[in-house]
Order: sequence, then C-alpha cells, then structure tokens
Amino acid sequence: DIQMTQSPSSLSASIGDRVTITCRASQSVRSFLNWYQQKPGKAPKLLIFTASRLQSGVPSRFSGSGSATDFTLTISSLQPEDSATYYCQQSYTTPGTFGGGTKVEIK
Amino acid sequence: QITLQESGPTLVKPTQTLTLTCTFSGFSLSTSAVGVGWIRQPPGKALEWLALIYWDDDKRYSPSLESRLTVTKDTSKNQVVLTMTNMDPVDTATYFCAHTTIPSVLLGYWGQGILVTVSS
Repeated sequence: DIQMTQSPSSLSASIGDRVTITCRASQSVRSFLNWYQQKPGKAPKLLIFTASRLQSGVPSRFSGSGSATDFTLTISSLQPEDSATYYCQQSYTTPGTFGGGTKVEIK
Repeated sequence: QITLQESGPTLVKPTQTLTLTCTFSGFSLSTSAVGVGWIRQPPGKALEWLALIYWDDDKRYSPSLESRLTVTKDTSKNQVVLTMTNMDPVDTATYFCAHTTIPSVLLGYWGQGILVTVSS
C-alpha cells in the first residue's frame, strides 16, 4: 500500500490567516491526489482533485499544489466555516489510501 | 443529481457477517468508467479505504481486509452490497459508500454513512 502522511495533525489559526497543510506519499502518485474536508458527524466533501483542480462550488480560497510525492492544501484566508478535519487521499492505485487527517481549529 | 445512501444493521455481534447496501440514484453502474467505493471511519479516527467495484464488475479490495470483504452490484436495483465476515469490535465504525469515476478515481459524492457497532 502507498502510505500517506499529513502534517500537522492539528493546527489553530485566526480568521484571515493563510493555512497550509502538507501531504507526503511513500511513493509517487503522479497527480492522483485528492483533498477532502470533513465536519463532525458529516461525510467527507471533495475539495480538490488531481492535486490542483478545484471541485465545483468550492470557494476559491482553497487551492492545491504538488506532484509525485509532495502535496499542499492551502486556505488563503481562513474563515469560520473552514473549521474541520482535512484529509488527503491518493487515487493512483488501490487501495486508495488516506492520510491521517489535519484538524483545523479557529483561534 | 447524484445521491447515495447506506443501509444495514447498526449493531452486530462478534464473529457475525455484516451486510451493507448502498442504494444510489443519479447515475448507473452500467455506464463506462463509473464505480462505487466503500470507506469506513472508526470513531474519532481517520478514513480507511475498503473496496471498490466498477461498471465492468472489476473489484478491488484493501489487501489487509481482502479475505473478509466481498463487494457486488445489482445494476437493475442501483445497489452495491458490501459484506464483511467475522466482525470484531475493532470493526466498529461509520461505513460510507461513494461514487467514483475513472481515471481520477476521486470520491466525488458520498452517502451520509451508517454507524455499525460490533458488540456482544
């Protein structure tokens, strides 16, 4: 299996801050990297697919970058509704492994 | 509009077999490049990918659980069924099904999930 490692596991930031979450794959996944947002008691929601493509309806303050083994999710200006846990997932091969998650809290 | 919903027992005993059904609308599993995946999440923990079935009946499983998992589809009923044998308390989790497509295999649409507790 390809292992996905996210960092940090949690962070606390203020409204308007720029927030960056990183995801590293144990081997190249090319650009087959997706980001999901999950709020408590809800199903995950797709934010970014194939590393950098914004899912329809997702605010433009979210962006993704990277390729091969190193990827980044950036929130350019943190909003109250962005409080959630974020997961990366590789879909290059099965099993489509997920990272351990990053919990984003608002200060 | 694509929707998915999981159904099945919310409580199973250890050693029993779990059978979950994902009923969907807004797409057909007879359409090329379409698939349905299963993912679970133990309480307070991360997401775990379990299995995937494609329109052509290609099936993929998590290697660590492959011996216990079976995924099937009923195209006429718009359903996908996941069975997991020999349930254990560590299998307590919320189980989700999700829509996917080749080549990105992203999980674009999810069901609400069903919490399954394994306890005697």
